[in-house]
Amino acid sequence: AQRVTQPEKLLSVFKGAPVELKCNYSYSGSPELFWYVQYSRQRLQLLLRHISRESIKGFTADLNKGETSFHLKKPFAQEEDSAMYYCDLNSGNTPLVFGKGTRLSVIA
Amino acid sequence: GAVVSQHPSWVICKSGTSVKIECRSLDFQATTMFWYRQFPKQSLMLMATSNEGSKATYEQGVEKDKFLINHASLTLSTLTVTSAHPEDSSFYICSGQGTDNYGYTFGSGTRLTVV
Repeated sequence: AQRVTQPEKLLSVFKGAPVELKCNYSYSGSPELFWYVQYSRQRLQLLLRHISRESIKGFTADLNKGETSFHLKKPFAQEEDSAMYYCDLNSGNTPLVFGKGTRLSVIA
Repeated sequence: GAVVSQHPSWVICKSGTSVKIECRSLDFQATTMFWYRQFPKQSLMLMATSNEGSKATYEQGVEKDKFLINHASLTLSTLTVTSAHPEDSSFYICSGQGTDNYGYTFGSGTRLTVV
């Protein structure tokens, strides 16, 4: 069965500190992994997907198949990064397999 | 980019009445539409999956007779909450996927409050 685990419900960091939001997955095939962000009172937005290997708003995420992880990282956190972040595994035309989300709080 | 328009954004209804939520894909054809529910401080929970022209597939524990989903065209899917009760008060969000796998496009969500 497909599963995504985000072990931290809440992560608080100081402004300027590095951020790492953890995501581990279980899937037998080749997954497509995404990170979504939900800012307060806004819709969910796609933040990045692993196959694009791009950096969005300073965030990057590398797929580590050996560790079955897709951690989201940013070297220097900013206050506007405070939001809810969801890791998602997509194996094709199947429902989203969301992690339970991690709320990032960046403290000034 | 792909946009899913979801209406209404919020609705308050009396217990026992029905509420219809619409999701329209504006610039792509959503072959599949997913409906989620999110209670406060909880993650999104998938309610059902609908493919255009087919009956929706409901997740375990979701009453199909209570949450009627229609996906009659590639650009429109509706969720009707029938005989709503206060415990149905929640945030409902749809997401559509077209034939190109660019990830999911979410509607803006509907906040339903049943009084």
